[in-house]
Amino acid sequence: NAGVTQTPKFRVLKTGQSMTLLCAQDMNHEYMYWYRQDPGMGLRLIHYSVGEGTTAKGEVPDGYNVSRLKKQNFLLGLESAAPSQTSVYFCASSYSKWYNSPLHFGNGTRLTVT
Amino acid sequence: GQQVMQIPQYQHVQEGEDFTTYCNSSTTLSNIQWYKQRPGGHPVFLIQLVKSGEVKKQKRLTFQFGEAKKNSSLHITATQTTDVGTYFCAALYNNNDMRFGAGTRLTVKP
Repeated sequence: NAGVTQTPKFRVLKTGQSMTLLCAQDMNHEYMYWYRQDPGMGLRLIHYSVGEGTTAKGEVPDGYNVSRLKKQNFLLGLESAAPSQTSVYFCASSYSKWYNSPLHFGNGTRLTVT
Repeated sequence: GQQVMQIPQYQHVQEGEDFTTYCNSSTTLSNIQWYKQRPGGHPVFLIQLVKSGEVKKQKRLTFQFGEAKKNSSLHITATQTTDVGTYFCAALYNNNDMRFGAGTRLTVKP
């Protein structure tokens, strides 16, 4: 099993450009999440999904959009990238909601916005 | 908003010494999870604590949940170089909001 796979691993954007981060899981998990990790700030939840076709805002949703058209995929979009969005992005999935089961993380995407 | 404070931010130890990281909340938690992230890696789940006063052990790692369910600790006995990484707590509040601590970065000198 591959677990949680994120693409790309690295990306450099110029301010104002757009991009989509891809996350795929092969564990048949209902719940999927997008986090960003910044030095000294731990992991902060951007958006999450409790099932196919559903999405919800997390702690820091501004500037991001998500979609979950298929159960195994969760996409994170940046419509107009800003330097403040320079970060490491992690996708995660869980069998049930986070309070009942552990999060399985992908390897991360390092995004730099210049 | 709800926050969980994790201390210390950094800890540098000599191999064989013990290590402890703490997570503290001003409000009661529903449960708490602990994760480890190796340098350049992704967070990996270690354990979940649910009950007041709960203590769980995994080899040299001991996890505790406070009696009031407002704090938790992770203790590593006799650290090894393989313990290097950042340890995060993830606190679940009663409104189902989960927040990660900022992490404690452990370095071990051989």
